Amino acid sequence: DTAVSQTPKYLVTQMGNDKSIKCEQNLGHDTMYWYKQDSKKFLKIMFSYNNKELIINETVPNRFSPKSPDKAHLNLHINSLELGDSAVYFCASSLRSGQEAFFGQGTRLTVV
Amino acid sequence: QKEVEQDPGPLSVPEGAIVSLNCTYSNSAFQYFMWYRQYSRKGPELLMYTYSSGNKEDGRFTAQVDKSSKYISLFIRDSQPSDSATYLCAMTFKAAGNKLTFGGGTRVLVKP
Repeated sequence: DTAVSQTPKYLVTQMGNDKSIKCEQNLGHDTMYWYKQDSKKFLKIMFSYNNKELIINETVPNRFSPKSPDKAHLNLHINSLELGDSAVYFCASSLRSGQEAFFGQGTRLTVV
Repeated sequence: QKEVEQDPGPLSVPEGAIVSLNCTYSNSAFQYFMWYRQYSRKGPELLMYTYSSGNKEDGRFTAQVDKSSKYISLFIRDSQPSDSATYLCAMTFKAAGNKLTFGGGTRVLVKP
């Protein structure tokens, strides 16, 4: 059973389009995250939700909007995609009381 | 200067050798330290988690933390070709909401 699953795995889209990435975890964790990994493999946090409440919002363009319908799901919607948005986006989850985060397999977004 | 520095490598070793990886950090607030392994086109996989200075061993892996020097290490004994991957250090502290700050990763190649 996959613990943290993301869909889609690959996403190729044109500039200006709007797209969504979905994430689900079955670990019973109450905190979920979105991280972005750029072409140099540098991982940086974008957002964190605890029990559907936004707790971390790093300096991310407001074209990116996370949504958490329940504590097992955290989706990422991106409006007006730009070339610089091309990256791998990772969803992760952890216990609120814990520090270890468990990652999904990533969504490779390519904007053309 | 990044908060967490990690030599990007690549680090090439013969099979059976000890792999030695390290990270330095500048923020003395960091309390919890993790090592992740990332295979190509996969998500980061948690290997080790420590929260105090000293050593922690798990199978072939030993994690070392020296908070006074702001330096952490990961040693892999009896390295195998399957250990070839990128190794990422990550750290956080409670007041950061468990937001992980990552090093840039070190690529390791274990040659048969």
